[in-house]
This record gives sequence, C-alpha cells and structure tokens, in this order.
Amino acid sequence: QQQVKQSPQSLIVQKGGISIINCAYENTAFDYFPWYQQFPGKGPALLIAIRPDVSEKKEGRFTISFNKSAKQFSLHIMDSQPGDSATYFCAASIIYRDDKIIFGKGTRLHILP
Amino acid sequence: DTGVSQDPRHKITKRGQNVTFRCDPISEHNRLYWYRQTLGQGPEFLTYFQNEAQLEKSRLLSDRFSAERPKGSFSTLEIQRTEQGDSAMYLCASSPTWTVYGYTFGSGTRLTVV
Repeated sequence: QQQVKQSPQSLIVQKGGISIINCAYENTAFDYFPWYQQFPGKGPALLIAIRPDVSEKKEGRFTISFNKSAKQFSLHIMDSQPGDSATYFCAASIIYRDDKIIFGKGTRLHILP
Repeated sequence: DTGVSQDPRHKITKRGQNVTFRCDPISEHNRLYWYRQTLGQGPEFLTYFQNEAQLEKSRLLSDRFSAERPKGSFSTLEIQRTEQGDSAMYLCASSPTWTVYGYTFGSGTRLTVV
C-alpha cells in the first residue's frame, strides 16, 4: 500500500511558468509533510516542509498548499527556472514518534529555457 | 565537509558476493537512516538507528541485509549473497533527535549486481 501518492510522474514547464506537483496521503496520523529536491547523482535535499496546522507555507518561489480535510498537499514553484529542473518528492512523517519519512514516487520536472 | 558521507559511491559486484557500505553522519546527529532508491522511484525506508540502537527495520530488509552502528557514530550496511534485485542506490541520512529539525541525505552508494 502506497502511503503517499504523487502526481504527475513527469512535468514540463516553460521558463517563468508555474510548476504544480500534487500529493495525497492516507494516514491521518501524519503530521509533517516535507518536499525534497533531487538532482542526478545526489541525495534528496529538503526544500520546504509544512505541519497540518497551517494551510500554506511560502519560502521564496516555493509554496506548499495543504488541505487537511482532503488529505492532499501540493508544491507550487513560481517563476520556474531551468535550474529548478530536478526530481521532486513529497513525503510524510509522524514526528516525535516513529519519525521515519515516507516518500512519494517522485515527479521529474523539466523547465524549458 | 560537514555533510553526510557515503563510501563507496559506486559498487559493481557479481551475484552471490557480499558487499558492505559505510555512512558517516553529521557528527552532532544522533539518528541515522538507511533508504533504498530504485530507478524512477522514491527512497524506501530500510532501517534507522538512534545512537547505537537499531530502532526499526522495514520488511524490505530481508535476512540477507544487516546494519550496524557501533558506538553511535558511522554505520555500515551489509548485503550478503547479493541478487540482481538488490541493484539500487543506497542512501544514508542523518538527523538530530527529531526529524522535524532536518534530515540530511548523503549522495548514496549505487550498487550494480551483475
């Protein structure tokens, strides 16, 4: 059973456009939702994270929108740049308990110059 | 370099051989995690340690896999009698006591079983 479902699998966006990646989860005990960015040959790196007590978190061009009732959250990348081309993973965890992070399958994002 | 270090970066081995990977976490991080990532998939949790104690093991970690973290510092992941299905990127991550404070990954060890 996949606990975190991510879509789309791949995404192509024009430079300057908005990239949107969606995730859904099943386990209502999850209380920490990070997004990771991974470049080829590198490990994933934490990009931005949200707790379920807020509906939106913004850091620079990156915004997480969170809908607790729908058990969905999404990553928006504003003014997408070629340097944003990478694989993005949504994830979820139950913090202060088992604490392991469960990842989605990833979205390969390509920004056209 | 204060990041998570993994060695080797690449390993090619023949089926049936044993392999061992090493992870050196960020020095002040007391939690250490192992994940496996296959092509086109997200990282899958294998096991984690708090200091030297192994707190959880995934069902993915068959009895051919063993992980240790002696003295709560570096960790090793050993795979015995490797199979072609073991070919993957093996990622190590470390964090302070609680994940919410940050989870730093190494660059991984890519294993190819031929």
